[in-house]
Amino acid sequence: DAGVTQSPTHLIKTRGQQVTLRCSPKSGHDTVSWYQQALGQGPQFIFQYYEEEERQRGNFPDRFSGHQFPNYSSELNVNALLLGDSALYLCASGFNRGVNTGELFFGEGSRLTVL
Amino acid sequence: GEDVEQSLFLSVREGDSSVINCTYTDSSSTYLYWYKQEPGAGLQLLTYIFSNMDMKQDQRLTVLLNKKDKHLSLRIADTQTGDSAIYFCAETPIKAAGNKLTFGGGTRVLVKP
Repeated sequence: DAGVTQSPTHLIKTRGQQVTLRCSPKSGHDTVSWYQQALGQGPQFIFQYYEEEERQRGNFPDRFSGHQFPNYSSELNVNALLLGDSALYLCASGFNRGVNTGELFFGEGSRLTVL
Repeated sequence: GEDVEQSLFLSVREGDSSVINCTYTDSSSTYLYWYKQEPGAGLQLLTYIFSNMDMKQDQRLTVLLNKKDKHLSLRIADTQTGDSAIYFCAETPIKAAGNKLTFGGGTRVLVKP
């Protein structure tokens, strides 16, 4: 059983460009959350998707947007990249229907470098 | 709002026990998590506890929760060099479980042979 998978693993962009990151949740999970982890810090919540809708959002500007597909996979899009967007972007998956077990699993992340 | 704090660094000798501490501020029912992150890697879920529990044990890992003081600890018995990593404490309110996790800044654990 594959866990949470993310792509690409590494990418380099320049300021002003746009980036799309992808995530496939663990089998059987229906929610996907995205986190930004700057170097030396804990992850910060960006937003969560469930039933193809954004359900909750952290303190991130509208340049950060996302999407969830019918197969529960998700994309994170960042427009007009800034140097400060350089970070490890982590995807987490879990359940959000019926009984919630509390389990939240993370992928290995996509490391974005903005030059 | 929620806030989670951890000490920055812990050094321990191989074979000894490690204790990593965390404090949180959310007063609602909540899930509390411990994640491990090795260099360049994602977050590995080690264990989690519901806030109505006092203790949870899983092989070498013991989680203790002091609800009154909002203090959570992770004890690693017989610490090995492979336990060297950054450990993150995190919490999420049960009413929105699975949604927003609030993380501490992480505790870097160094295991010396």
